[in-house]
Parts: sequence; C-alpha cells; structure tokens
Amino acid sequence: ETGVTQTPRHLVMGMTNKKSLKCEQHLGHNAMYWYKQSAKKPLELMFVYNFKEQTENNSVPSRFSPECPNSSHLFLHLHTLQPEDSALYLCASSQHTQGATYGYTFGSGTRLTVV
Amino acid sequence: AQTVTQSQPEMSVQEAETVTLSCTYDTSESNYYLFWYKQPPSGQMILVIRQEAYKQQNATENRFSVNFQKAAKSFSLKISDSQLGDTAMYFCAFIHDLITGGGNKLTFGTGTQLKVEL
Repeated sequence: ETGVTQTPRHLVMGMTNKKSLKCEQHLGHNAMYWYKQSAKKPLELMFVYNFKEQTENNSVPSRFSPECPNSSHLFLHLHTLQPEDSALYLCASSQHTQGATYGYTFGSGTRLTVV
Repeated sequence: AQTVTQSQPEMSVQEAETVTLSCTYDTSESNYYLFWYKQPPSGQMILVIRQEAYKQQNATENRFSVNFQKAAKSFSLKISDSQLGDTAMYFCAFIHDLITGGGNKLTFGTGTQLKVEL
C-alpha cells in the first residue's frame, strides 16, 4: 500500500450510466493528478490539482468531470462515456512545486470498462 | 514540450542475468529530474529510481542503477541479478526543475515490458 487509495478497483458501466472514481491520500501531499492509461499508448495526464485548485486540463472531454474538495481527496465523475474511454485510470499525488521533483505516489488504479 | 522515448516495447532476460532498458528524452531545459517507474500486473506504478540532472553521479538503488548521459539525453536503467519479481512494465519519466518554471507535470514514455524467465 503506497498511501494513495483508489476505489473501486474495477468498474463496468454502460454508456448512459453515471459513476464516480475516488482517490484518497493521507501523505500530506497538496497536489493530485488523474492519468489515463490505455493499451499501447503513453500515460495521458488528464487533470492537475494544486491546493484544491485545478491548474491543468489537457483538453479532456466534458464527459469527465473532476472534483477536488480538499487536498486529500480527488474524484472523477463519469457520464455518457464511450467504449474508447475504457482504460486504467490512475490517481497520483505529490508535494507541490519543487516537492514534485521527488516523484509522484500512485494508487493502484481503477480498471474501467465501458459497454 | 518535453518528450520521452522508449524504443524497446518488450525485453526478456534470464533470471540472475543483467538487463538494460533504454530511454531518451528531449528538453531545452538544463535542470530537470528523471525517473524509472515499475508497473507490475497489479497496475500500481512504483518508483524505482530517481536522477537529478545537475548531478553527474549515476543513481543506484540496490540492484537498480542508471546510466545518465546528459549530453546525449539518454537515461538507461540497468537491472542486475534479475529476479522473477522484476517482471513488469517499466516507464521512464521526466519532470522540469520547478524553480525555473513550468507546471508540476510528470511526462512518461510508452514503456518497456520486461519478462524475467527461469
């Protein structure tokens, strides 16, 4: 266990469903990240939050809606997804600014399948 | 924008042997940090080793060491005495020195799938 917990570990949802992914860290970090990992593609940074504020959105479709209520929790709300959105979604955290250069701590990911 | 390239999609090595994974990167910055992460089948990304670009000395962590060639923008990972538990996907990653600006974004390569065989 790294200190970053993601739930659920696996999720199957229909294209018309609404679901949420949860990420929680108790490492005292104040930056949190969502990455998407698809087969045979590089990890794609989706969102960056620093001190609860979104500082990066890499042109992610609006069917993905992040929420960061505090520095310890990060959510990814999903609605009307497409089959190509099936992937492993990884959450990570780090210290802000120069602390991030020590690397991120990752959760185990949520394996999402859209049917 | 910085890019990270891993040209070996798959590699295999016999148990107890040594294997080297390659990584090259592109940046115009002089200060930055490089990482190797390991991702076993469970999916969790685990930090293996970290290198500071302004340090000439290559980082080592037990059986893991790097060969950092700044001028060539090369950062390879050497695994000595390979073990079955080393079987995983290995990712090379890069981040700017944030004091000089830029966001706290970690950029990854496409990964190398390493299989350790008996």
